[in-house]
Amino acid sequence: EVQLVESGGGLIQPGGSLTLSCAASGFAVSGNYMSWVRQAPGKGLEWVSIIYTSDDTQYADSVKGRFTISRDNPKNTLYLQMSSLRAEDTAIYYCARVALASWDVMDVWGQGTTVTVSS
Amino acid sequence: DVQLTQSPSSLSASVGDRVTITCRASQGLNAFLHWYQQRPGKAPRLLIYAGSNLQTGVPSRFSGGGSGTHFTLAISALQPEDSATYFCQQSFSYPWTFGQGTKVDIK
Repeated sequence: EVQLVESGGGLIQPGGSLTLSCAASGFAVSGNYMSWVRQAPGKGLEWVSIIYTSDDTQYADSVKGRFTISRDNPKNTLYLQMSSLRAEDTAIYYCARVALASWDVMDVWGQGTTVTVSS
Repeated sequence: DVQLTQSPSSLSASVGDRVTITCRASQGLNAFLHWYQQRPGKAPRLLIYAGSNLQTGVPSRFSGGGSGTHFTLAISALQPEDSATYFCQQSFSYPWTFGQGTKVDIK
């Protein structure tokens, strides 16, 4: 079964750092583009970042320079390293697989992990 | 950035009704427009990709249409389990963006 399971969320003080993990099963993260999307409480969806199979990356302006997307192929896991966290980074963070050869659509999503930035 | 505007923001309809949600883009997207369903407390679920392609496992009462800057999501016969928020999303250019969502309630 194709599945994504996020972990690593929690309560963190402003200015702090946190790393989210997304463990994949049923497919290889190395063979797909992978993305992070977040959702602030009661709000809509916001795309955060993507990593290509080439390891090139893209980021939303709101996180550029503060967040880093990466993956560990042997562990089949995607990561999001977050630093200089702000209150406005409080959200549920979802990882998603970008389907191969299908219009760059996010076809598989994890259940999400919650990040709360507060003192 | 590409702005996506969904309408309506919310709607209430009865079981069996046909409902249509519109997504308008600030620039042409070719067909790089997708639709997701999000039930309360759950992750988004892909319904339609590339404007009109039904994702595997999604009921055939869902359909998508449009191209360029005007896209639609239709539910032909609303079911109780369709109570959710629906989002459009573009992958035509970075940053990828989402519409603000349309909340569908069952009367």
